[in-house]
Amino acid sequence: DAKTTQPTSMDCAEGRAANLPCNHSTISGNEYVYWYRQIHSQGPQYIIHGLKNNETNEMASLIITEDRKSSTLILPHATLRDTAVYYCIVRVEGNAGNMLTFGGGTRLMVKP
Amino acid sequence: DTGVSQNPRHKITKRGQNVTFRCDPISEHNRLYWYRQTLGQGPEFLTYFQNEAQLEKSRLLSDRFSAERPKGSFSTLEIQRTEQGDSAMYLCASSFTLANYGYTFGSGTRLTVV
Repeated sequence: DAKTTQPTSMDCAEGRAANLPCNHSTISGNEYVYWYRQIHSQGPQYIIHGLKNNETNEMASLIITEDRKSSTLILPHATLRDTAVYYCIVRVEGNAGNMLTFGGGTRLMVKP
Repeated sequence: DTGVSQNPRHKITKRGQNVTFRCDPISEHNRLYWYRQTLGQGPEFLTYFQNEAQLEKSRLLSDRFSAERPKGSFSTLEIQRTEQGDSAMYLCASSFTLANYGYTFGSGTRLTVV
């Protein structure tokens, strides 16, 4: 699975949009971009994933650049409960190992 | 459905003792995964099952680590002769093979070896 690069930490004001970037310049054509987050003392939580089209669900939006070398997770109206570590992961769907390879993630702090 | 359940939530053990953790996945999920997470790091994959078959175990950290899923439902992770370096959060996750929306993780078992 391709390696990802994320900023170590970010701050965001409550009620504002949080834009979390991820670089995955070596992504292959069949690799998806997944986002998970981990709130303190809990297991990681799936947020969203996509292949090449932008995606939106009730939690967030995922914007993938046309060359697929980077993506941005957008939390449109961040709340204090969105404070967490956000992980960007790229992986082949259905590969034999089927594991998620987590990097260090971005620690997002939402401030009042 | 209450999600993925892990027990115990916390375990303190003396070095050299054996410990066993249990994971109850979401009932209709046929895949089950174990991860380990040390402080400040992302989770690290250990092993996974499809039904009762353990399809990947090369990432288990040593031969002191073993996992079972005897009936394709709950799973156990055992660590024998624990060492202080085994102190970590042990996470379990489950998924359905054909689902394309990611895994569901439990809240983990925090192990402290003293």
